[in-house]
Amino acid sequence: EDQVTQSPEALRLQEGESSSLNCSYTVSGLRGLFWYRQDPGKGPEFLFTLYSAGEEKEKERLKATLTKKESFLHITAPKPEDSATYLCAVIRDTGFQKLVFGTGTRLLVSP
Amino acid sequence: NAGVTQTPKFQVLKTGQSMTLQCAQDMNHEYMSWYRQDPGMGLRLIHYSVGAGITDQGEVPNGYNVSRSTTEDFPLRLLSAAPSQTSVYFCASSTQQGGYEQYFGPGTRLTVT
Repeated sequence: EDQVTQSPEALRLQEGESSSLNCSYTVSGLRGLFWYRQDPGKGPEFLFTLYSAGEEKEKERLKATLTKKESFLHITAPKPEDSATYLCAVIRDTGFQKLVFGTGTRLLVSP
Repeated sequence: NAGVTQTPKFQVLKTGQSMTLQCAQDMNHEYMSWYRQDPGMGLRLIHYSVGAGITDQGEVPNGYNVSRSTTEDFPLRLLSAAPSQTSVYFCASSTQQGGYEQYFGPGTRLTVT
């Protein structure tokens, strides 16, 4: 059974304090791994897609990396506006590409 | 482009009532999905569609019906609401050409009393 586990559940950082969020996955035939940002009361907002081990994607202060077992979302010098829940999801390489989501990491960045 | 839109934003139902959650997208995406989000459980797939006239069940389909008569619209019907269906519901769309990343609507918060 496909499984996605995110850690930590919650993370509190000071502004400028860099850190990483982890997403470990178990899926046969990975087609892609996705990172989303979700603000309270809103739908998930797409950030990155990673397709193969070794791949990296960057967007402003965020950088996503992928290995054969896990993905990291590195946050460099975060700002309070980076506070959100970050969701990881995977898609299998069979049939309709159903997303399997982790439960997310709640990030709070204090000024 | 409005992207993915959902109505209503909030809804309160009594046990046994029925209702339809509306979802529309204007991106000409062939894939559309419905998810529910519950605390501590992540987003779970209810039903999905790979094109007009084609739907299938996801992980938690019981108590819900869908149909897709057009590319743009994908309504979710609750046949007889139960307190266990209290949740936040998200509609999403995607396209094979876009790399399968799904674009989500703003959600509908449903409470069943």
